[in-house]
Amino acid sequence: DIQMTQSPSTLSASVGDRVTITCRASQSFSNWLAWYQQKPGNAPQLLIYKTSILARGVPSRFSGSGAGTEFTLTISSLQPDDFATYYCHQYNTYSHTFGQGTKLEIK
Amino acid sequence: EVLLLESGGGLVQPGGSLRLSCAASGFHFTTYAMSWVRQAPGKGLEWVSGISGSGTSTSYADSVKGRITISRDNSRDTLYLQMSSLRPEDTAIYFCAKDGGGGRPYADNPGELGSWGPGTQVTVSS
Repeated sequence: DIQMTQSPSTLSASVGDRVTITCRASQSFSNWLAWYQQKPGNAPQLLIYKTSILARGVPSRFSGSGAGTEFTLTISSLQPDDFATYYCHQYNTYSHTFGQGTKLEIK
Repeated sequence: EVLLLESGGGLVQPGGSLRLSCAASGFHFTTYAMSWVRQAPGKGLEWVSGISGSGTSTSYADSVKGRITISRDNSRDTLYLQMSSLRPEDTAIYFCAKDGGGGRPYADNPGELGSWGPGTQVTVSS
């Protein structure tokens, strides 16, 4: 299985900041990577798929990039609604895997 | 509107069995691969299993292989997860999720998870 290592585990930031979350894969793969946002008590919501394509209704301040073993999620200007936990997800193989999550906290 | 609603969770003793269901509506169920994802208390997401739209192809995480079976009834628009030999570490919220339709490397395996149900709680404890 491909292991996904997400960093940082926790990120403290302020409204208006630009933040980046990274996922590193244990082996190189193509662009079959997604990002999700989860708020406490709720199911995750898809933000980005195929590395860089925004899901419907997702604000343009979210963006994704990467290739090979390193993938990133960037939020260009944090809004109050963005404080949540974020997960990467590889679906390049039959057995999918998630990163361990990044909790984005208000500084 | 896509709706997914899980049911069948509850308290079960170690070694016991449970069958989860996920009722789907708002889309052509047969067309889409589906997945189960779980989340242990205070922990991250863990992909559990996936199934093709036809139901003929399935995949499992190593942690559940041999103990869990995914299936679907396309005539009832329902996804299932049969769990046996349950362990305390299987305690989690179990979510069903629909393939997002954004493409995938294998036609018979789910891609990104575009829609999720609210989840059902499974607790394995004596």
